[in-house]
Amino acid sequence: AQSVTQLGSHVSVSEGALVLLRCNYSSSVPPYLFWYVQYPNQGLQLLLKYTSAATLVKGINGFEAEFKKSETSFHLTKPSAHMSDAAEYFCAVRTSNTGNQFYFGTGTSLTVIP
Amino acid sequence: KAGVTQTPRYLIKTRGQQVTLSCSPISGHRSVSWYQQTPGQGLQFLFEYFSETQRNKGNFPGRFSGRQFSNSRSEMNVSTLELGDSALYLCASSSGLAGVGETQYFGPGTRLLVL
Repeated sequence: AQSVTQLGSHVSVSEGALVLLRCNYSSSVPPYLFWYVQYPNQGLQLLLKYTSAATLVKGINGFEAEFKKSETSFHLTKPSAHMSDAAEYFCAVRTSNTGNQFYFGTGTSLTVIP
Repeated sequence: KAGVTQTPRYLIKTRGQQVTLSCSPISGHRSVSWYQQTPGQGLQFLFEYFSETQRNKGNFPGRFSGRQFSNSRSEMNVSTLELGDSALYLCASSSGLAGVGETQYFGPGTRLLVL
């Protein structure tokens, strides 16, 4: 079975500081991994995805994530936080043997302190 | 290109009633998936439709059903509403042809409150 664990339901960083949101996955087959962001009263917007090509994936708004198979991780980072980054972030996994449905983590709420 | 649209955006119902939510995918997309988002359970997959056929189903009771029309628009129906059905219902669309790595585009959601 597939699952995603996001460590830290709430993360606070100062504006300009490094953002690190953690995601660990469990999958018996090669996973496809996604990070989505959700702003209040909105749907989910794709930040980036890993689809078995380069292990370091660059996304929108300066975010990137690195797929580490040995650690079963796909942590999201951004070198310098901006106030507009405050939102809920979701990590998700999909695999070919589960009908392509997403399994989402429980989300991490990011607060940016001015 | 217009994004995924969902109607209505907000809905208030009482227990025992039924509700129908609508989703219009991005033009050209043939796959529509539905998710339920609640503070306690997070985001959970309901079902996926592709070319008018249900292609995958999550672990929800039979009160939750859906369908897809020939123009790819999709509806989901919840009968005999319970308080626990209060949630944000998200619809996502994709071409449905590019496999597991394909991006799904989400709509803004319909927020359902059951009283």
